[in-house]
Amino acid sequence: GESVGLHLPTLSVQEGDNSIINCAYSNSASDYFIWYKQESGKGPQFIIDIRSNMDKRQGQRVTVLLNKTVKHLSLQIAATQPGDSAVYFCAEVLLGGSEKLVFGKGTKLTVNP
Amino acid sequence: NAGVMQNPRHLVRRRGQEARLRCSPMKGHSHVYWYRQLPEEGLKFMVYLQKENIIDESGMPKERFSAEFPKEGPSILRIQQVVRGDSAAYFCASSPEGLGKLFFGSGTQLSVL
Repeated sequence: GESVGLHLPTLSVQEGDNSIINCAYSNSASDYFIWYKQESGKGPQFIIDIRSNMDKRQGQRVTVLLNKTVKHLSLQIAATQPGDSAVYFCAEVLLGGSEKLVFGKGTKLTVNP
Repeated sequence: NAGVMQNPRHLVRRRGQEARLRCSPMKGHSHVYWYRQLPEEGLKFMVYLQKENIIDESGMPKERFSAEFPKEGPSILRIQQVVRGDSAAYFCASSPEGLGKLFFGSGTQLSVL
């Protein structure tokens, strides 16, 4: 879903803990999903992606889970570090047309030392 | 290999003036996207261009906004007769194939006085 001007959901964790950030996407026909990280004053940075024919993909310290039945994505960050503090967005690619990325609302992650 | 370059980083305009935002995609990328972001919100798609062509402008207001991506030179997002509501961060992204994973610039923060 897209932001409608509400305050960002927030998640606060202790350094070293695992973080789970959730996202509900809007279109059951979406074929491809990406998680982006955005630090203050910077552009979004690619973290990990997953195609709709998969339900899990792992990267370095990050795992993305896809549940197409309920149109839900999650990003798991292992051993969260202060440098992980940022806003995290999921994005979906809509099939047809220009296949542009549509961003979700975002979650602000704060890692406490 | 330089990333996506946007300039200026900050742009201040008075109401009624014109704003020109520039974006040089990554080397070898011929697909450019413009997104707009308000504070505490997600990124909203504006326009998708390929060299010399507008592919999808469904997110761009019909009046006062225009975009181009000429054969030579950067992509330009132009806002005529700016109003206070145009104040936002404008991000450009590029991709080599026009599908999925986008690489973002650092954005232009437009402030309209």
